[in-house]
Amino acid sequence: KQEVTQIPAALSVPEGENLVLNCSFTDSAIYNLQWFRQDPGKGLTSLLLIQSSQREQTSGRLNASLDKSSGRSTLYIAASQPGDSATYLCAVTDFNKFYFGSGTKLNVKP
Amino acid sequence: EAGVAQSPRYKIIEKRQSVAFWCNPISGHATLYWYQQILGQGPKLLIQFQNNGVVDDSQLPKDRFSAERLKGVDSTLKIQPAKLEDSAVYLCASSRTGEGNQPQHFGDGTRLSIL
Repeated sequence: KQEVTQIPAALSVPEGENLVLNCSFTDSAIYNLQWFRQDPGKGLTSLLLIQSSQREQTSGRLNASLDKSSGRSTLYIAASQPGDSATYLCAVTDFNKFYFGSGTKLNVKP
Repeated sequence: EAGVAQSPRYKIIEKRQSVAFWCNPISGHATLYWYQQILGQGPKLLIQFQNNGVVDDSQLPKDRFSAERLKGVDSTLKIQPAKLEDSAVYLCASSRTGEGNQPQHFGDGTRLSIL
């Protein structure tokens, strides 16, 4: 059974810092990997989706990489802002089933 | 396009009572998902519908939980009777086809508290 782990569980950084969030998964036979953002009291917002054949995806200040062979993905956030404070979750898919990590709670201090 | 709509936003009930949640997916999305998210954890899939058929309900506690998606559009999730451990946020999501290359779109969820 696929297991998804996110480390650290919580992270606090000063504004302007570049940071990396980590996601690891146990079964490399994935269809794709998706990063989500969740604000308090809200649902999940999709940030980036990386197909299994891709190595990375970029959107604005966000860059996600995927290394299937090692079962790892990273989400890089450049020049962090207080508005980036949220919980970030990764999910892997085996065709049509999503497996979520428990998330990294990010706090960006002004 | 309008997003995934869920109601109610909050619900407080006593244990052993029943409760129902409603979800209206994005128009044209064939696949609908119900997730349970316990505080501090990632979402856990309860049930997945493709149109009005069930694709996966392997993690749905069928002795107390039920769900339906009549006419392949909106859906209801019911808990009867509720237990203390059912306190969680119940998220509904939809995707265009259900294939893994399609992103899932989430509603804001229903926060359920059991007293």
